[in-house]
Amino acid sequence: AQSVTQLGSHVSVSEGALVLLRCNYSSSVPPYLFWYVQYPNQGLQLLLKYTTGATLVKGINGFEAEFKKSETSFHLTKPSAHMSDAAEYFCAVSDGPSGGSQGNLIFGKGTKLSVKP
Amino acid sequence: ETGVTQTPRHLVMGMTNKKSLKCEQHLGHNAMYWYKQSAKKPLELMFVYNFKEQTENNSVPSRFSPECPNSSHLFLHLHTLQPEDSALYLCASSPRSAGGRGTQYFGPGTRLTVL
Repeated sequence: AQSVTQLGSHVSVSEGALVLLRCNYSSSVPPYLFWYVQYPNQGLQLLLKYTTGATLVKGINGFEAEFKKSETSFHLTKPSAHMSDAAEYFCAVSDGPSGGSQGNLIFGKGTKLSVKP
Repeated sequence: ETGVTQTPRHLVMGMTNKKSLKCEQHLGHNAMYWYKQSAKKPLELMFVYNFKEQTENNSVPSRFSPECPNSSHLFLHLHTLQPEDSALYLCASSPRSAGGRGTQYFGPGTRLTVL
């Protein structure tokens, strides 16, 4: 069965500093991996996703993530934090084999990012 | 209007009330989902519909009753809820296909408070 672990329920960085949000997954099949962001009182917005191919994936708002199979990780980074990045971030893995009837998302518990001026 | 919309955005109801949440997607997708998001808990998948057929019910209490009349609309009918059902209810849709694992797109959610 698939699972996702996000290390750190709360991360705080200064404006302009590197953002690193950690995500480790377990999957019995080649994973599809996702990062979503949720701003207060809103739904989840897709930041980026990895399916196959290039392991470094670029998303919106300057975020990127690297799929590392050997480490079963998909950490999210941004070189320079902005105040508007303050939000909650969710890592997710898609379950089930490709071509099967599954394909639901398994979410981590989320990491709340605070950005200090 | 584009994307996934949900109405109402906020709902306060008593334990004896009956109400419905509505979700509509304008993306041409054929799979729709209901999630529950409570404080301090991971997102909980409640129901999945594929081509209007319910394919998943994750042991959700019968006081929650989903309805999917077509691929664009999804409802969640609520009755005799409990205070612990207070949460953000999120709807999502995806281009589900035989290949599975389509990216899910979320609506803004309905903030439900049960008194």
